[in-house]
Amino acid sequence: AQRVTQPEKLLSVFKGAPVELKCNYSYSGSPELFWYVQYSRQRLQLLLRHISRESIKGFTADLNKGETSFHLKKPFAQEEDSAMYYCALKKNRDDKIIFGKGTRLHILP
Amino acid sequence: ETGVTQSPTHLIKTRGQQVTLRCSSQSGHNTVSWYQQALGQGPQFIFQYYREEENGRGNFPPRFSGLQFPNYSSELNVNALELDDSALYLCASSPAIQGLRAISYGYTFGSGTRLTVV
Repeated sequence: AQRVTQPEKLLSVFKGAPVELKCNYSYSGSPELFWYVQYSRQRLQLLLRHISRESIKGFTADLNKGETSFHLKKPFAQEEDSAMYYCALKKNRDDKIIFGKGTRLHILP
Repeated sequence: ETGVTQSPTHLIKTRGQQVTLRCSSQSGHNTVSWYQQALGQGPQFIFQYYREEENGRGNFPPRFSGLQFPNYSSELNVNALELDDSALYLCASSPAIQGLRAISYGYTFGSGTRLTVV
């Protein structure tokens, strides 16, 4: 069965430092990967999709099929990046999205 | 264009009771998915509805059931409530798969219904 693992429950990073939120998945096929973010008192929202190869709010994520990873990265953390981040996987385009347990990112001033 | 709206926002029920949660999908979206998010956990997939039919189900017992209406709104029903059913229930909508080239979209989530079972 497919699974998404986010090994860090909490990640604290100083403002201006690089950020890397780890995500590993298990699925033998070609998955679609997503990152969702939930800011304080806001609803869960899509941050980026691997299929779009986009950069949103300075964040990027590269799908590494060899390492089955989809880590989220940002070169310089900002205080407004503090939020809960969820990595998610879809095994094909008409299937459900499976979420990891999430990592809370705390940006220190 | 409106987003996904859920009602009620909060609910307290007694063990053994039944509950109905409601969701209005975003304009133009006809696929609705329901998730359960327990405290400190990621959202867990309950089921998905497309064209008023169940289109996939997660590892939840039959006492979790749903409906989708012609206007694409949806309901989640839970019978015989248990204490462990206490959680945030999220509804998410997405556009339909279009033609031969399926378009991959993420979901648009509602704010959720916080259910407490006592």
